[in-house]
Amino acid sequence: KQEVTQIPAALSVPEGENLVLNCSFTDSAIYNLQWFRQDPGKGLTSLLLIQSSQREQTSGRLNASLDKSSGRSTLYIAASQPGDSATYLCAANQGGSEKLVFGKGTKLTVNP
Amino acid sequence: DVKVTQSSRYLVKRTGEKVFLECVQDMDHENMFWYRQDPGLGLRLIYFSYDVKMKEKGDIPEGYSVSREKKERFSLILESASTNQTSMYLCASRKTVPEQYFGPGTRLTVT
Repeated sequence: KQEVTQIPAALSVPEGENLVLNCSFTDSAIYNLQWFRQDPGKGLTSLLLIQSSQREQTSGRLNASLDKSSGRSTLYIAASQPGDSATYLCAANQGGSEKLVFGKGTKLTVNP
Repeated sequence: DVKVTQSSRYLVKRTGEKVFLECVQDMDHENMFWYRQDPGLGLRLIYFSYDVKMKEKGDIPEGYSVSREKKERFSLILESASTNQTSMYLCASRKTVPEQYFGPGTRLTVT
């Protein structure tokens, strides 16, 4: 059974810092991995999707990487801003399954 | 832009009531999902549907049912609401490409 873990549960950084959020998964036979952002009391916004044949995806200041062999994905945020403060979730699904398995998220606070 | 909407942002119901949560997507997506999100437990899949009138149980289907009579609409039904169903309910949809899109969520309180 796939399990997804995100450590740390919370992270606080000063504005302008580059940072990395971590996501690990137990079953390397994943089909894709998706990173989401969630603001308090709101739904999830898709940030980046990495398919199993890809190593990374980039969107603006965000870069997500995928290493299936080690069971890890990272989300790199460059030049962080207070508006980046949110909870970031990663989710993986496996080939042949429609289900996404979610981590519990990392709550990021960027201090001005 | 993909748009997934949910019928209510906040809902307060009494124990024993039948509750309907509706989700509509406007991008002709085949797959639709209902999750609940609770502190410390994360997102858990209740039910999903991969086509009209098709449904499949997720990880926590007990106490819930679903209906998908039209492709764009996926309803979650709480047959007899209980206090342990107080939660944030999130609907999502996707087409054949794997990226899921979420609605804004419904915060349900059962008293």
